[in-house]
Amino acid sequence: QMQLVESGGGVVQPGGSVRLSCTASGFSIFNYGMHWVRQAPGKGLEWVAVISYNRRSEYYGDSVKGRFTISRENSEGTVYLQMNSLRAEDTAVYYCARDRDTYCSGGSCRGMDVWGQGTTVTVS
Amino acid sequence: QSVLTQSPSVSGAPGQRVTISCAGSSSNIGAHYDVHWYQQLPGTAPKLLIYGNNNRPSGVPDRFAGSKSGSSASLAITGLQAEDEAGYYCQSYDSSLSAYVFGTGTKVTVL
Repeated sequence: QMQLVESGGGVVQPGGSVRLSCTASGFSIFNYGMHWVRQAPGKGLEWVAVISYNRRSEYYGDSVKGRFTISRENSEGTVYLQMNSLRAEDTAVYYCARDRDTYCSGGSCRGMDVWGQGTTVTVS
Repeated sequence: QSVLTQSPSVSGAPGQRVTISCAGSSSNIGAHYDVHWYQQLPGTAPKLLIYGNNNRPSGVPDRFAGSKSGSSASLAITGLQAEDEAGYYCQSYDSSLSAYVFGTGTKVTVL
């Protein structure tokens, strides 16, 4: 059974940092682009970042650019999201998701077909 | 504020057909980037419903159908069922932002 499990969420002070992890089981992340998506309480989905299978391409949403960094360790089956300079508006459930595309560069992503259950980050 | 605009809510009786629209622009849907649709049941993670404008992943009933025309896309649900009550989001790529974007989301209510 293909599964993604996020961890690392919690309560953090404004200006602080936290690193989220997303670990895959039932498949290898090596062949897939990987995303982070967040959802603030009572709000819609907001795309955060994506990384290509080989780490050569990374893209970020405007609201997190320069503060968040996505990375991956294929051998460990894990994707990370380093979140710095956190603000109250970063409070959300953070989901990681697998893309159907390998590269996910320049608009080539083909839909997020496996999602984790989410981890909550509260900035307060 | 998202560059993909959806109506906040739609409703229908069981068995009816409802349509959810996703309005974009020349830098996203109108630029021929693919549109994907997700269903989010209350309290759960999103689920891929339609990929590549009109393709259903394995296991998604054929009651769900996606289409795209110009700078807009639509998701149609036919034979509406109580279990379809959920939030629905379109998603595409925007070349002006160099970023992937979600629509504002539509809540479907089954009367």
